[in-house]
Amino acid sequence: QQQVKQSPQSLIVQKGGISIINCAYENTAFDYFPWYQQFPGKGPALLIAIRPDVSEKKEGRFTISFNKSAKQFSLHIMDSQPGDSATYFCAGRCYNAGNNRKLIWGLGTSLAVNP
Amino acid sequence: GAGVSQTPSNKVTEKGKYVELRCDPISGHTALYWYRQSLGQGPEFLIYFQGTGAADDSGLPNDRFFAVRPEGSVSTLKIQRTERGDSAVYLCASSLRGLSEAFFGQGTRLTVV
Repeated sequence: QQQVKQSPQSLIVQKGGISIINCAYENTAFDYFPWYQQFPGKGPALLIAIRPDVSEKKEGRFTISFNKSAKQFSLHIMDSQPGDSATYFCAGRCYNAGNNRKLIWGLGTSLAVNP
Repeated sequence: GAGVSQTPSNKVTEKGKYVELRCDPISGHTALYWYRQSLGQGPEFLIYFQGTGAADDSGLPNDRFFAVRPEGSVSTLKIQRTERGDSAVYLCASSLRGLSEAFFGQGTRLTVV
């Protein structure tokens, strides 16, 4: 059962444009929503994260918008650059047995920024 | 080390063979996770260690999969009687505590032929 749904699957943006990736979740027990960036052959790296009591978080060119009532959140990349070309994953963190804060991941969005 | 280190980076094995994948977490990180990432998918949770003990192994797909962390640092994921469906990238992550950011290694790409 996919608890975090991510769209689009792939995205092409011109340099300088805005990249927008959307996620929706079902599990109300999630307490933390990170976005990860993954380059080919590398492990995921945390990009930015938000907690459900905040509606927006901005770090440089990256912004998360969070809508708790709709159970949706999105990543906006302003002034997109070719170096931003990567796969982006949204995730939700939930509490499990043994103090396990495991992440439930979306399927990923492959972003290509054309020069 | 500076980051999470996983070895080998690539492993090709024949169906039915046994494999071990190693994870060396960031020094001092007590929490360690194993995830599996298939092509075109997000990572899927396998097992979580807090210290030496497997606090949550609910993600292990079957009894062919086993992981240990005997001294609370390095962890080894063991797969017996490998099947072609086990082919994936196996990711390891560690964090200072369960609530803090998890840092990922570069993964081990396992190919079962």
